[in-house]
Amino acid sequence: ETGVTQTPRHLVMGMTNKKSLKCEQHLGHNAMYWYKQSAKKPLELMFVYNFKEQTENNSVPSRFSPECPNSSHLFLHLHTLQPEDSALYLCASSHSSGSLYNEQFFGPGTRLTVL
Amino acid sequence: LAKTTQPISMDSYEGQEVNITCSHNNIATNDYITWYQQFPSQGPRFIIQGYKTKVTNEVASLFIPADRKSSTLSLPRVSLSDTAVYYCLVGAGSSNTGKLIFGQGTTLQVKP
Repeated sequence: ETGVTQTPRHLVMGMTNKKSLKCEQHLGHNAMYWYKQSAKKPLELMFVYNFKEQTENNSVPSRFSPECPNSSHLFLHLHTLQPEDSALYLCASSHSSGSLYNEQFFGPGTRLTVL
Repeated sequence: LAKTTQPISMDSYEGQEVNITCSHNNIATNDYITWYQQFPSQGPRFIIQGYKTKVTNEVASLFIPADRKSSTLSLPRVSLSDTAVYYCLVGAGSSNTGKLIFGQGTTLQVKP
């Protein structure tokens, strides 16, 4: 596989469930990102990892827990979510997070529905 | 990061040239201007980036006047598949933490 992949592509979960989103990049990048895109709203940055270290947490509720075991993999662990958390969750990667000049490559996203 | 302003929506017809202008009055000296394209239910895709004057690639051209307070993305001879949301982003160079601030973008509708 090439580029940035995300699994699952669609997820339906109840408010008491625990699930995880997975992102994998095959581009040799050092930085990875989680974004949230709700209906009719702009993309919101959630987390930034640079060389496996979290460098940005954009005031995200603790029911979202990121994990970056290595520069190629990024997870988003979900627990006790609310219906308003339903959205498209996008993962992206870039060479490093130190410059906007570094193009970010996005995955196809996971469409999450919380019942 | 500098705030950007762009039209909410635009309509065009196949084969026409489309120009989308973005205002960024507070752009800083070391800021680059970047445009992304997003199709429904997909992640954004980088289109073009520039600092000043004109940049051209196989997809688009980016025109930046001398004062850099605005920029224009030019899409030559659009087709139906160019229907998407186009985002203008402005951000610092080495001081940036990788934070991309997406606004509402411009929804381009290309009609047959």
